[in-house]
Amino acid sequence: QKEVEQNSGPLSVPEGAIASLNCTYSDRGSQSFFWYRQYSGKSPELIMSIYSNGDKEDGRFTAQLNKASQYVSLLIRDSQPSDSATYLCAVNPNQGGKLIFGQGTELSVKP
Amino acid sequence: KAGVTQTPRYLIKTRGQQVTLSCSPISGHRSVSWYQQTPGQGLQFLFEYFSETQRNKGNFPGRFSGRQFSNSRSEMNVSTLELGDSALYLCASSVSQYEQYFGPGTRLTVT
Repeated sequence: QKEVEQNSGPLSVPEGAIASLNCTYSDRGSQSFFWYRQYSGKSPELIMSIYSNGDKEDGRFTAQLNKASQYVSLLIRDSQPSDSATYLCAVNPNQGGKLIFGQGTELSVKP
Repeated sequence: KAGVTQTPRYLIKTRGQQVTLSCSPISGHRSVSWYQQTPGQGLQFLFEYFSETQRNKGNFPGRFSGRQFSNSRSEMNVSTLELGDSALYLCASSVSQYEQYFGPGTRLTVT
């Protein structure tokens, strides 16, 4: 079992729709969870962090965390073509600055 | 505030050679983590330095090493390069163990 799993996609949504990205992790001791966006040829860009169960909203982005189910998700409302990128889920297994990444979900937003 | 910088941005090396990559973190950030990104394996953690000490290490051979200086700048070294070392090498800085911000990366090609 991979430590952090994401649907590889590609996930295709129409412009203006809600994109839902999911991630599961195996280490129950994990405390910190992050979503990164990576455009082709660029480095990952941090878009959300979440540490407590529940929802965290930032603009069009909402991160959801359920530690009991070991599940993290990212919702993107009013998706725009500029949101087309690979979204990486990252988990800190309570080991200092070590992040474990999922394989990423490729999102395509069609005009 | 200036972001994370990495030098060089591109490198071409021959098998058997060694290479040194450099990373300057965001001002005030004391933790620097290094990652390798390849199409097949995704983003994998190499090691983390905090206050000039290696705090965490990933599952990479001893050919991969690093260090951190008193100004928090970090270098990683790969000795006896192999074709499989061709990758994007990313460093990320953080205040401690929370949000990590990535540099643009160094694209290493081993021929």
